[in-house]
Amino acid sequence: AQSVAQPEDQVNVAEGNPLTVKCTYSVSGNPYLFWYVQYPNRGLQFLLKYITGDNLVKGSYGFEAEFNKSQTSFHLKKPSALVSDSALYFCAVRDRWRDDKIIFGKGTRLHILP
Amino acid sequence: SAVISQKPSRDICQRGTSLTIQCQVDSQVTMMFWYRQQPGQSLTLIATANQGSEATYESGFVIDKFPISRPNLTFSTLTVSNMSPEDSSIYLCSVDDSYGTQYFGPGTRLLVL
Repeated sequence: AQSVAQPEDQVNVAEGNPLTVKCTYSVSGNPYLFWYVQYPNRGLQFLLKYITGDNLVKGSYGFEAEFNKSQTSFHLKKPSALVSDSALYFCAVRDRWRDDKIIFGKGTRLHILP
Repeated sequence: SAVISQKPSRDICQRGTSLTIQCQVDSQVTMMFWYRQQPGQSLTLIATANQGSEATYESGFVIDKFPISRPNLTFSTLTVSNMSPEDSSIYLCSVDDSYGTQYFGPGTRLLVL
């Protein structure tokens, strides 16, 4: 069965420091991988995705994610965190050749400390 | 990406009543999706709505509880029927772009008392 794991419920990072939000997945084949962000009282906003090609993908607000096929991981990163990055982050996977549904991780709350 | 709006943005309802949530997209799309996000939880797909056919419901969701309409290619509604406090959630609609990315509306925050 397809699954997405975000092992950390919460990540705390000091402003200006690099941040990483972890995501691993279990899907056969070559899935599409996504990161979304949810700010308080807002819907989900698309950050970035990986389909194929370069393992490092760049997205909105200075975020990037690294695809690692051998470790089945897709960690979200940012070189220098801002207080405004504080939000709930969801990793998601989509198997377009199977049922084409999106499976979301449980989310990781990111706190950037001033 | 498509611009998606939802109405209402939030509501407080009494148990036993029903609420209809509207989702409007600024472009024509084949499929629209409805998700539920319970407090502190991730997103769960309720159903997929195609224009001109009945919605396809996921396991655990039934048409009597969550009837869906899809009258045209830019609009859909989700009704939460006979509500109980367990229905308190954020309800989100979404659409796909041509490249497999799903975009979401701002959500409807429902509190059932």
